[in-house]
Amino acid sequence: DGGITQSPKYLFRKEGQNVTLSCEQNLNHDAMYWYRQDPGQGLRLIYYSQIVNDFQKGDIAEGYSVSREKKESFPLTVTSAQKNPTAFYLCASSRSGGAAGELFFGEGSRLTVL
Amino acid sequence: AQSVTQPDIHITVSEGASLELRCNYSYGATPYLFWYVQSPGQGLQLLLKYFSGDTLVQGIKGFEAEFKRSQSSFNLRKPSVHWSDAAEYFCAVGPNDMRFGAGTRLTVKP
Repeated sequence: DGGITQSPKYLFRKEGQNVTLSCEQNLNHDAMYWYRQDPGQGLRLIYYSQIVNDFQKGDIAEGYSVSREKKESFPLTVTSAQKNPTAFYLCASSRSGGAAGELFFGEGSRLTVL
Repeated sequence: AQSVTQPDIHITVSEGASLELRCNYSYGATPYLFWYVQSPGQGLQLLLKYFSGDTLVQGIKGFEAEFKRSQSSFNLRKPSVHWSDAAEYFCAVGPNDMRFGAGTRLTVKP
């Protein structure tokens, strides 16, 4: 079945550590996105990529980094520079950069900083 | 960048009553507009979308939304709410770098 796989589902990190969240899709979608979800704030865009080897910052990119070396993969690294990293992270993909339709979401990764 | 405002953080309606969730957007060109629903412990599901054409769009689960360019709005409606509609609802505007509103949490009273 086609879809988006995020891993791990739950992750605990000590302060000062970098962590990488995985996002893989087999939908053959061109565009991929990372959002952060906090209670009462909806989904806020961290980074997005419309084609391989290219990505753009969203509204809250500080303290995060991404890569897009393969069409299927868009990993997100939460660096130690992110001041408040505890959150629920959602990865999504779409055809043609979103213009063609809906975003398809993964099940999310919940990061807790101890 | 485009933005979305959902003025109502939390709405409570009785089962069987009608529902309207508000969404206002800011976008310089013709927007692509979406409504998503997130049930507890579940992922986001697309309810409906508007790209062009008829300004009244029908979605799944009996929902509809009306695009009003003059008011920069895309309000979601349902004529009769069911208990299973209790969830969080998000409005989004695109294309490309999709932006979401803060969400409206819907509680359904028996």
